[in-house]
Amino acid sequence: GAGVSQSPRYKVAKRGQDVALRCDPISGHVSLFWYQQALGQGPEFLTYFQNEAQLDKSGLPSDRFFAERPEGSVSTLKIQRTQQEDSAVYLCASSFRGGPTDTQYFGPGTRLTVL
Amino acid sequence: DQQVKQNSPSLSVQEGRISILNCDYTNSMFDYFLWYKKYPAEGPTFLISISSIKDKNEDGRFTVFLNKSAKHLSLHIVPSQPGDSAVYFCAAGNSNYQLIWGAGTKLIIKP
Repeated sequence: GAGVSQSPRYKVAKRGQDVALRCDPISGHVSLFWYQQALGQGPEFLTYFQNEAQLDKSGLPSDRFFAERPEGSVSTLKIQRTQQEDSAVYLCASSFRGGPTDTQYFGPGTRLTVL
Repeated sequence: DQQVKQNSPSLSVQEGRISILNCDYTNSMFDYFLWYKKYPAEGPTFLISISSIKDKNEDGRFTVFLNKSAKHLSLHIVPSQPGDSAVYFCAAGNSNYQLIWGAGTKLIIKP
């Protein structure tokens, strides 16, 4: 079956622009995670959804970052007024049940470059 | 303050030999640990995990060892194959589902 997909794969934005990153999780997966991965670092947790409920957004770096999953499937991560420090790869992952030891399946990521 | 550390940015191993990747952690509350593998332009792929109640877990060529007293885990790959060349991430978690990741180790398998 299809894995996790993300679009666009690459995004270049001018500083101050708003961007929207899309994640299509594996069908039937309850949980969805967003991560930010800076160059040369591991992924850092941003936010977690169980179905349409955003249960944890403690990792979002500022109020410019907003995520939603209105119907419990596709999710969008929006970054308003992008800054150069927002340049990173944004990874989305989904898992079947959402338990802490459930395997997370990752998409290929969206590489965001803010000029 | 890095809670999960992978101190070797890269490792080069001859094909057929053993690859050993290391990971240290500081938070004694972590109760499970995972290794993910990542190829360029792809997302990380789950490889193997271990619960804190175990000290070893084996899956084919991959074995993870956990030393809780030393807060150290390692991934052994035997024998190493060219397709194992990738970046390996160590991650740790507890009951709140957040994973804390190391910075990764790039493994290069030489023919």
